[in-house]
Amino acid sequence: GENVEQHPSTLSVQEGDSAVIKCTYSDSASNYFPWYKQELGKRPQLIIDIRSNVGEKKDQRIAVTLNKTAKHFSLHITETQPEDSAVYFCAASKDRFDSGAGSYQLTFGKGTKLSVIP
Amino acid sequence: NAGVMQNPRHLVRRRGQEARLRCSPMKGHSHVYWYRQLPEEGLKFMVYLQKENIIDESGMPKERFSAEFPKEGPSILRIQQVVRGDSAAYFCASSPLAGRNEKLFFGSGTQLSVL
Repeated sequence: GENVEQHPSTLSVQEGDSAVIKCTYSDSASNYFPWYKQELGKRPQLIIDIRSNVGEKKDQRIAVTLNKTAKHFSLHITETQPEDSAVYFCAASKDRFDSGAGSYQLTFGKGTKLSVIP
Repeated sequence: NAGVMQNPRHLVRRRGQEARLRCSPMKGHSHVYWYRQLPEEGLKFMVYLQKENIIDESGMPKERFSAEFPKEGPSILRIQQVVRGDSAAYFCASSPLAGRNEKLFFGSGTQLSVL
């Protein structure tokens, strides 16, 4: 099955600096890569996602890049703010687009605890 | 739209008791997923259900765990004869799309503690 590795497990940055979190996956058939933000005691919330037919996607201060050949993808947060402090999870899945084979499950990394220091 | 509703938020059980976790999907969503999260870990897939059907239960332990999503009412994750290792946060997610993980919305979870 799919295996997702995430690094680093903890990350501290000064407010205004950039933060980068990296993930690798094992199954070359995976085609959907979301990133979730989870604040303490709260639900995971989707912040950005990317499909395998795209190399990069940006949404304001957040961007995700995907390298299919190397099977890794990264989350980039620029101009970090204290409210960005949370645990971030990457995930991978083989979504079905037709009646062919696929998987219903997201495989998550173990998370990165990001602390933004004011 | 109230979002994905889970209850209870916290559930305490003694070893050997049964735990019932409920999940009401977002309005218009007919696909429900259950995930389990251990401390300091990512979420682990358990089961995917559509109304009255279990589609994929490959992540469910073979014994003591069951799930249902009846025609009427919430989805239920049931854990019989709980053990301390069942202590975890259980998250439900719903989607309007079949077999795709886009537009997956998570509930706030049920924190199960087994004494």
